[in-house]
Amino acid sequence: AQSVAQPEDQVNVAEGNPLTVKCTYSVSGNPYLFWYVQYPNRGLQFLLKYITGDNLVKGSYGFEAEFNKSQTSFHLKKPSALVSDSALYFCAVRASPLSGSARQLTFGSGTQLTVLP
Amino acid sequence: DTEVTQTPKHLVMGMTNKKSLKCEQHMGHRAMYWYKQKAKKPPELMFVYSYEKLSINESVPSRFSPECPNSSLLNLHLHALQPEDSALYLCASSQGRGLAGARETQYFGPGTRLLVL
Repeated sequence: AQSVAQPEDQVNVAEGNPLTVKCTYSVSGNPYLFWYVQYPNRGLQFLLKYITGDNLVKGSYGFEAEFNKSQTSFHLKKPSALVSDSALYFCAVRASPLSGSARQLTFGSGTQLTVLP
Repeated sequence: DTEVTQTPKHLVMGMTNKKSLKCEQHMGHRAMYWYKQKAKKPPELMFVYSYEKLSINESVPSRFSPECPNSSLLNLHLHALQPEDSALYLCASSQGRGLAGARETQYFGPGTRLLVL
């Protein structure tokens, strides 16, 4: 079985400050990790993913995430937050090798990020 | 181009109505998905189509009936829905490369906001 935990329902940060949205995972096998963002009344937008290789992954809109195998974490980060970054963020995982549920993404519960002006 | 389109954007229906949701992608993806999302919650997988064949049905009630007429289109037929079915319905697609599929990014459409009265 695979699972994802986003321990914070809400994260508040001041504009211009660095932001971190936390994600930890549990899988059997190698994890493939994804971050999505959802703005109000919109679908999910892909931000970045970790498949293999460099533990620091850079994605869209200045976001990056660091894969830490020993801590089973994949925290999302941005050096300087913008008010427009305010949205709902989802971490997701799939594991390899694949089984019958190969294409199922397991999502975390989501973290609402609010960037205060 | 990573666009998935969905129509309609909003839908209000009575419990005796029959309606359909439509999803389209032109990225050459061979895996397509329907998700249901309640407010502030992660998406819940409903159905997965792989090469136009239904590969996963997550024990969804029969009042939801998916259809994949061709590799670019995905429909969700709705009949005799209940008020608790009110939600955002998201379509997604990915390349669908068999066992390599765990690495694939799913691209989501903007969703259809459904209200059942």
